[in-house]
Amino acid sequence: DAGITQSPRHKVTETGTPVTLRCHQTENHRYMYWYRQDPGHGLRLIHYSYGVKDTDKGEVSDGYSVSRSKTEDFLLTLESATSSQTSVYFCAILTAANYGYTFGSGTRLTVV
Amino acid sequence: GQQVMQIPQYQHVQEGEDFTTYCNSSTTLSNIQWYKQRPGGHPVFLIQLVKSGEVKKQKRLTFQFGEAKKNSSLHITATQTTDVGTYFCAGLDQGAQKLVFGQGTRLTINP
Repeated sequence: DAGITQSPRHKVTETGTPVTLRCHQTENHRYMYWYRQDPGHGLRLIHYSYGVKDTDKGEVSDGYSVSRSKTEDFLLTLESATSSQTSVYFCAILTAANYGYTFGSGTRLTVV
Repeated sequence: GQQVMQIPQYQHVQEGEDFTTYCNSSTTLSNIQWYKQRPGGHPVFLIQLVKSGEVKKQKRLTFQFGEAKKNSSLHITATQTTDVGTYFCAGLDQGAQKLVFGQGTRLTINP
């Protein structure tokens, strides 16, 4: 979909370790987003970016940081992973044509 | 901040029955979007509603946006097994160009 890929698709990590998830897009979209999905909570916004080096916090940003040094890449970092960060993480881009989001396939992260 | 509530959380129907999910916002929305997520998949954009009282149809799916632009509904007529999944509504915070999602309604269907 719209040239958006997430990596890795699955990851198991230990509590206290840093983890970086990558979102890559090929269509030069300005807006990119990181959401987490948990049962009963739907999709909650972690951080988003509106351009290179321009980022802002979402509703659940504690424990996460992001970076966007190039238009095509938006990185999400868990500085010190905790079990509460076990989740499915989705990256999304805003497609200007219809203002809808196109989502990546997701990263399933397990913190043990 | 903006909150979007969606009900019901789960719905199980017999194939051929109708299905409706409802979405309510704590604030007036500039527009509302609907997404479908198949089991194990990612959310896929279905439609956007912008105008007060707007009604749009996609085959068996009917989407409505309330007159006050604070609520919306998705109605599926005569469900089929391909309709299985979780349906999300989302309100756009236009100033920040970010979506606030409802919790979703998970639809399961008995064939």
